[in-house]
Amino acid sequence: DAGVIQSPRHEVTEMGQEVTLRCKPISGHNSLFWYRQTMMRGLELLIYFNNNVPIDDSGMPEDRFSAKMPNASFSTLKIQPSEPRDSAVYFCASSFGGMSTDTQYFGPGTRLTVL
Amino acid sequence: QQQVKQSPQSLIVQKGGISIINCAYENTAFDYFPWYQQFPGKGPALLIAIRPDVSEKKEGRFTISFNKSAKQFSLHIMDSQPGDSATYFCAASKTDSWGKFQFGAGTQVVVTP
Repeated sequence: DAGVIQSPRHEVTEMGQEVTLRCKPISGHNSLFWYRQTMMRGLELLIYFNNNVPIDDSGMPEDRFSAKMPNASFSTLKIQPSEPRDSAVYFCASSFGGMSTDTQYFGPGTRLTVL
Repeated sequence: QQQVKQSPQSLIVQKGGISIINCAYENTAFDYFPWYQQFPGKGPALLIAIRPDVSEKKEGRFTISFNKSAKQFSLHIMDSQPGDSATYFCAASKTDSWGKFQFGAGTQVVVTP
């Protein structure tokens, strides 16, 4: 079975450009999480969707970040405009249920570099 | 505010040795404590988890020890193997809430042959 799929795997862009990260959760999972991982701040939850509805976006750093989940099989995380401090690995994870005891399955991540 | 503190930051252990990673939490409302394993270039993967109604949980070579009064829990990797070389994250959350975890900073474990 396919796991969580993320694209692109690597993205290099210049400051000020728009960046869109994509995620396909595991089929049948109804919860989706976007995380950011950096050396300085570790693993941070950005936003959580349940049944395609954003439940908690308190981790989104600022208005430059936005996330959508138009259907159960696709989500995007957009950064506009991007800044060098946005450089990080962004992970998407999905689970069936969404509760903390429901196993979250992480994708391979997108490594974003903003020059 | 770091609600889960993890130590050490890194450790090197010889093959066959025991790796021990410690975590301490502050929020007494936390009642679910998973550990994640992350290999380079991969996303984290759930390794083992414990709830505070037990003091120890073992799965194969991996054991979680939990001390509720001290608000501490630890991961022991017995008979460490080179394939265990990875970064390990502890986390904490409440079981009656959705999956919002407080993660530790991570421990890079290197198992030498």
